[in-house]
Amino acid sequence: AQTVTQSQPEMSVQEAETVTLSCTYDTSESNYYLFWYKQPPSRQMILVIRQEAYKQQNATENRFSVNFQKAAKSFSLKISDSQLGDTAMYFCAFTNTNAGKSTFGDGTTLTVKP
Amino acid sequence: GAVVSQHPSRVICKSGTSVKIECRSLDFQATTMFWYRQFPKQSLMLMATSNEGSKATYEQGVEKDKFLINHASLTLSTLTVTSAHPEDSSFYICSATVREINTEAFFGQGTRLTVV
Repeated sequence: AQTVTQSQPEMSVQEAETVTLSCTYDTSESNYYLFWYKQPPSRQMILVIRQEAYKQQNATENRFSVNFQKAAKSFSLKISDSQLGDTAMYFCAFTNTNAGKSTFGDGTTLTVKP
Repeated sequence: GAVVSQHPSRVICKSGTSVKIECRSLDFQATTMFWYRQFPKQSLMLMATSNEGSKATYEQGVEKDKFLINHASLTLSTLTVTSAHPEDSSFYICSATVREINTEAFFGQGTRLTVV
């Protein structure tokens, strides 16, 4: 079974600054996908970024980038130039390639302060 | 992008009654749909995996007779909470994966169920 750990229940950052959310996971699989999802107060789950485990290059999506360390089983999310709209709960998720089933971390509540 | 529509967004029902929640993939055929339950400020807890035309696979500890899942087509899965009780009050979310790309999940808007 896979486990996903987010060790930061809450974080805050000043607007326009950079923040990094941490995520570690445990699995015996070699091929899988990792995701970061954002859940704003509306509770709609929004995909922020995805990373294929077989790719060494870190994924980037505008202001969002990841630091994927496969050997260390670490998958952190960096948000640059933080905006007030980034305030949300962020979930790290591991997805089994075959089953498509996802395991979610406990989430990190991020508050961007003006 | 792929859109998943979940209905209703909010529902209040009386204790002992049943309530049905629908999850539809609007512009793609979903290989698999997943049902989650989420308590306030907590993570998503997978309840069951639903494949079209076959019985749902329930996670350990989830009562299959209480949470009935039907996946009659490639675009529709339903979750029926039978004989609802106040402890069933929660936020329920569905997600669907695309047949050709069985990894990224697309989420519905969620349903807030309140049992009174």
